[in-house]
Amino acid sequence: DAKTTQPNSMESNEEEPVHLPCNHSTISGTDYIHWYRQLPSQGPEYVIHGLTSNVNNRMASLAIAEDRKSSTLILHRATLRDAAVYYCILMGHPNTGNQFYFGTGTSLTVIP
Amino acid sequence: NAGVTQTPKFRVLKTGQSMTLLCAQDMNHEYMYWYRQDPGMGLRLIHYSVGEGTTAKGEVPDGYNVSRLKKQNFLLGLESAAPSQTSVYFCASRDRGYIQYFGAGTRLSVL
Repeated sequence: DAKTTQPNSMESNEEEPVHLPCNHSTISGTDYIHWYRQLPSQGPEYVIHGLTSNVNNRMASLAIAEDRKSSTLILHRATLRDAAVYYCILMGHPNTGNQFYFGTGTSLTVIP
Repeated sequence: NAGVTQTPKFRVLKTGQSMTLLCAQDMNHEYMYWYRQDPGMGLRLIHYSVGEGTTAKGEVPDGYNVSRLKKQNFLLGLESAAPSQTSVYFCASRDRGYIQYFGAGTRLSVL
């Protein structure tokens, strides 16, 4: 089972960019890199995912290393509402991958 | 849009009692999942289903049973609750793509 390694916690000032790292040195060629976040007392919510190329959406950007052994979730301007636990997860192709391994994630604190 | 709805939101059981947690989704998704989350931990997969009438074991299936009689519903049963099953339970559903949609969770305490 592919595993990920993330820092336990990070802090950021409000309205500044945040770079959340994730190491996944045992990633296989068919694993997708997913990011979810969990706000306090809520279920996780999807943030972004990618395979090889960098990805952007309205919530964040995902930068994937060329060797795919690490990735970085980028929040361009942190707000207080971005304070959450962020999980980096590997998943196989949707037709075959049915198990997510969440790990303990990175708890992001946003300082006003 | 209701999305994924979990019932009940809170429950307290005594050791040995049984109960069923209900998950309902209105997005016509094929895949459904049950997770548990213990304090300070990430989510761990209990059981999942790839379609109506099918179920499969996840990472921590012991002590739980599931059923998927209808596509929109996924039930999680505890036949004889134990204190170790005190946790927050999350249900999720996924279409044929990549995104899982989660419910708000059920907080269960077993005394």
